[in-house]
Amino acid sequence: DIQMTQSPSTLSASVGDRVTITCRVSQSISSWLAWYQQKPGKAPKPVIYEASTLATGVPSRFSGSGSGTEFTLTISSLQPDDFATYYCQQYYSNSRTFGHGTKVEIK
Amino acid sequence: EVQLLESGGGLVQPGGSLRLSCAASGFTFSSYGMSWVRQTPGRGLEWVSTLSGSGNTTYYADSVKGRFTISRDNSKNTLYLQLSSLRAEDTAIYYCAKLNLGTRLAYFDFWGQGSLVTVSS
Repeated sequence: DIQMTQSPSTLSASVGDRVTITCRVSQSISSWLAWYQQKPGKAPKPVIYEASTLATGVPSRFSGSGSGTEFTLTISSLQPDDFATYYCQQYYSNSRTFGHGTKVEIK
Repeated sequence: EVQLLESGGGLVQPGGSLRLSCAASGFTFSSYGMSWVRQTPGRGLEWVSTLSGSGNTTYYADSVKGRFTISRDNSKNTLYLQLSSLRAEDTAIYYCAKLNLGTRLAYFDFWGQGSLVTVSS
């Protein structure tokens, strides 16, 4: 299976901060990567797909970049609604795999 | 509006069986691949299985192959997951998720609210 390594596992930040989460993949997946946001007690919802395309309804402060084996999710100015856990996921392989998540918490 | 509503979770003994259902609405169900994804505090999010829109093509995680069966009834807009030979490590919240395309190169664009399966004696 394709392995996903996310970092950091926890990120403490303040409202207005720029934050970046990294996802490294064990083999090249071109741009077939999605990022999901999950809040406690809720299902994940897509934020970015195809590495850099904003999902429907997602604010433009979110952006994604990368291809091959290294990807980033950036929030340009952290808002109160953005405190959540973020997961990367590859869909290059039919055996889809997720990163272990990055919890963005209030500093 | 796309809606996915899971049901059928509960407490089951090790070695037992359970069937999860996912009622879909708000889109042309037969045109999209569907998946099950589970989540535990320890193992995070884990893809379990995918089924094509026609129901002809299936994929399973190695951890559930031979024990779980995914199926769908396109006349009822419903996805199923039959869980058998259950183990303690199958304890998880099970999410039904819609793919944005068929099965290849497709991400999960909508998720259900989840159904808790607890395997314990």
